[in-house]
Amino acid sequence: DAGITQSPRYKITETGRQVTLMCHQTWSHSYMFWYRQDLGHGLRLIYYSAAADITDKGEVSDGYVVSRSKTENFPLTLESATRSQTSVYFCASSGRGAYEQYFGPGTRLTVT
Amino acid sequence: GENVEQHPSTLSVQEGDSAVIKCTYSDSASNYFPWYKQELGKRPQLIIDIRSNVGEKKDQRIAVTLNKTAKHFSLHITETQPEDSAVYFCAATATGFQKLVFGTGTRLLVSP
Repeated sequence: DAGITQSPRYKITETGRQVTLMCHQTWSHSYMFWYRQDLGHGLRLIYYSAAADITDKGEVSDGYVVSRSKTENFPLTLESATRSQTSVYFCASSGRGAYEQYFGPGTRLTVT
Repeated sequence: GENVEQHPSTLSVQEGDSAVIKCTYSDSASNYFPWYKQELGKRPQLIIDIRSNVGEKKDQRIAVTLNKTAKHFSLHITETQPEDSAVYFCAATATGFQKLVFGTGTRLLVSP
């Protein structure tokens, strides 16, 4: 489990501010994912990346931006945070796309 | 796109009883069906998965069954213990097999 980490673990920010959540994995997995978890909705995919410099949208990508310049890092940026983006954010990685995804510890984000 | 429905949303059992959680999926091309367990405040963890060429898979007290014709799969936990209390998520591969679509989760409570 120490192979995938997220920072910060907790973040409080104000509406309209930009905030970046970090994800780092040491397994050299080619795939990385960002999910948000909200009560009643389970885990919803925000963005995913099949390799460095290759990213694609998930089902709830509006208001989020990602980049992946290095295989091991996959930062998620909220360009102008809104209260509806208050959630728990999980990063995951996999060596083979949908198969055997492993999750980071999560970041609890509160937008006031 | 793929849609995964999960039932029940909550399940309460007595220690030693069996628990069954059911999921249905919409995309007949889906070929991988993992189950994740999430304890309170923790990350989702992969506990068992099944491929579409297999009808059943067991790992100690947990088993997963797949009915491709009916497009549903189930998680079976036998001899439940209090430490089985958690939220369980099912998932299925989406088109292209690069990402997963998750169900909304089942909260399992095992009472001593």
